[in-house]
Amino acid sequence: GAGVSQSPSNKVTEKGKDVELRCDPISGHTALYWYRQSLGQGLEFLIYFQGNSAPDKSGLPSDRFSAERTGGSVSTLTIQRTQQEDSAVYLCASSLVRGRTPEAFFGQGTRLTVV
Amino acid sequence: AQTVTQSQPEMSVQEAETVTLSCTYDTSESDYYLFWYKQPPSRQMILVIRQEAYKQQNATENRFSVNFQKAAKSFSLKISDSQLGDAAMYFCAYIPNTGNQFYFGTGTSLTVIP
Repeated sequence: GAGVSQSPSNKVTEKGKDVELRCDPISGHTALYWYRQSLGQGLEFLIYFQGNSAPDKSGLPSDRFSAERTGGSVSTLTIQRTQQEDSAVYLCASSLVRGRTPEAFFGQGTRLTVV
Repeated sequence: AQTVTQSQPEMSVQEAETVTLSCTYDTSESDYYLFWYKQPPSRQMILVIRQEAYKQQNATENRFSVNFQKAAKSFSLKISDSQLGDAAMYFCAYIPNTGNQFYFGTGTSLTVIP
């Protein structure tokens, strides 16, 4: 596609439910990032995928969070047993391979509200 | 530790005037990249300008320019002839050449006064 696409745009869920957030990166971008942005805060790194390499999961805040990337393209971020503190905007970004200026292109994010 | 600091939570500028947003970063890397991103209320992060650390020349993109001071680890953004559409949150970001993540500052909220 022309840009990074994220769905849903907004999600309201009840505490304790599981949610899945989807990211469709720019075609040909091998690097994919997930970030979390809480109200009025900066961007918190969650996870990084690069090609077929093992993902860097060092930013995931708890074992309730997981992510996968299928076929080197679409990625899904899953939050199990959601808590109110999980409420935030989840941003996905993709970029070209190393060796070029790794400019990140962002999607419009998914606003998650846990009630 | 690799950190990015934006010490100005909020800034304002008169339309058509010039404003400078500050950013400092901490790293032991010698090869890295710096960026300024703009985030309007739509949430879409938009790249404003990029700087490769190995380049001494400051990057410019139309009304946007940077003052990159590598020794001081400073990377400020200058917006000339400010327009109403420049009103947004601005984030400074850094990534080392061999890194797996972008490090972001906490942002500066820019208001443009008509």
